[in-house]
Amino acid sequence: SQTIHQWPATLVQPVGSPLSLECTVEGTSNPNLYWYRQAAGRGLQLLFYSVGIGQISSEVPQNLSASRPQDRQFILSSKKLLLSDSGFYLCAWSVSGAYGEQFFGPGTRLTVL
Amino acid sequence: AQSVAQPEDQVNVAEGNPLTVKCTYSVSGNPYLFWYVQYPNRGLQFLLKYITGDNLVKGSYGFEAEFNKSQTSFHLKKPSALVSDSALYFCAVRAIHNNDMRFGAGTRLTVKP
Repeated sequence: SQTIHQWPATLVQPVGSPLSLECTVEGTSNPNLYWYRQAAGRGLQLLFYSVGIGQISSEVPQNLSASRPQDRQFILSSKKLLLSDSGFYLCAWSVSGAYGEQFFGPGTRLTVL
Repeated sequence: AQSVAQPEDQVNVAEGNPLTVKCTYSVSGNPYLFWYVQYPNRGLQFLLKYITGDNLVKGSYGFEAEFNKSQTSFHLKKPSALVSDSALYFCAVRAIHNNDMRFGAGTRLTVKP
């Protein structure tokens, strides 16, 4: 069966510090991968999605970036965090080429102070 | 572009009573529709989906949803609510030829004993 991992689970970082959040998927090949941010326990904002290694689509301009160095690895980064980057970050995957559901990881709670 | 509206921020029901969480959508062409549930500080869990076929879709934990094309709705229902159903519920839509999924703002369901 497929599983999706995210780490760390929680993170407290000062303003201006760098960020690296990691997401890995097991048990599937060539998945579509997604990064979302959820603010204040409400709606999800799609940040990035990827249909293959090195292929990243950005939904909103901001100081975050994403990379996919391996088939089942998706990384969210920032060079300098802002207070507004605080939130709950969710990684998700779906079967490539299909239009079914996405499966979500457990999330990372980021607090920028 | 596709979008989803969840008109109720909060739904309160008594345990044992039926529950309905409302969702309407907008999409070009035929939609793929989904319901997810989120417990505090957790990722989203997939409940059910409508792709094609029978308008009444049955999912996990006794939930079901009815697709109504004329009203562009996909309401989530359960005949008898449990206290453990208390959570945040998200409706989502994706168009057939589109890779990304759009989520509603979420509805917080509280089931009181």
